[in-house]
Amino acid sequence: GNSVTQMEGPVTLSEEAFLTINCTYTATGYPSLFWYVQYPGEGLQLLLKATKADDKGSNKGFEATYRKETTSFHLEKGSVQVSDSAVYFCALSDGSGAGSYQLTFGKGTKLSVIP
Amino acid sequence: EPEVTQTPSHQVTQMGQEVILRCVPISNHLYFYWYRQILGQKVEFLVSFYNNEISEKSEIFDDQFSVERPDGSNFTLKIRSTKLEDSAMYFCASSDRVRGTEAFFGQGTRLTVV
Repeated sequence: GNSVTQMEGPVTLSEEAFLTINCTYTATGYPSLFWYVQYPGEGLQLLLKATKADDKGSNKGFEATYRKETTSFHLEKGSVQVSDSAVYFCALSDGSGAGSYQLTFGKGTKLSVIP
Repeated sequence: EPEVTQTPSHQVTQMGQEVILRCVPISNHLYFYWYRQILGQKVEFLVSFYNNEISEKSEIFDDQFSVERPDGSNFTLKIRSTKLEDSAMYFCASSDRVRGTEAFFGQGTRLTVV
């Protein structure tokens, strides 16, 4: 079955530090990969996505590259801000089920950015 | 910007009672989902719904759960006889047919079973 493994948190960084959150996956077929973010007290929002190998998703200064050879989709940001404090979820969708593009999520990584 | 809306935002119910969680997906979307997140844990898939029927369900989605799209706009999750371990945040999501299109999530309903 499909699975997503992401680095355990929590991660605490100072403002303007470099962020990497590792994510690796196991899937049948050729999945699409996503990073979702959950701010305190809120629902899930899509941060970025990539649908095929070597694609780079980017948004709000965050980036992740779909690496098929290493089955990875690591999230990076060059300079984090306090407002980036949230829980980040790596997820995949392989669309292998008929009529379903269900997401398989990792456990989430809580990021705290301190001034 | 279109969004998925869920009601109520928080529901407290007694063990053994039935609850119905409501969702209004984005109007032109065709795939509908329920996920749950037990406090501090990962988001787990419950069920997907397409073309007026369940297309996939997880092992969590047992006989106490059911889903319905009663009127072409609402999408509901019914839990027939709630248990303490059903306490969680329940998220509704919808997506378009195109592979790789993001799923849009609602704000969630926090269900507390006492």
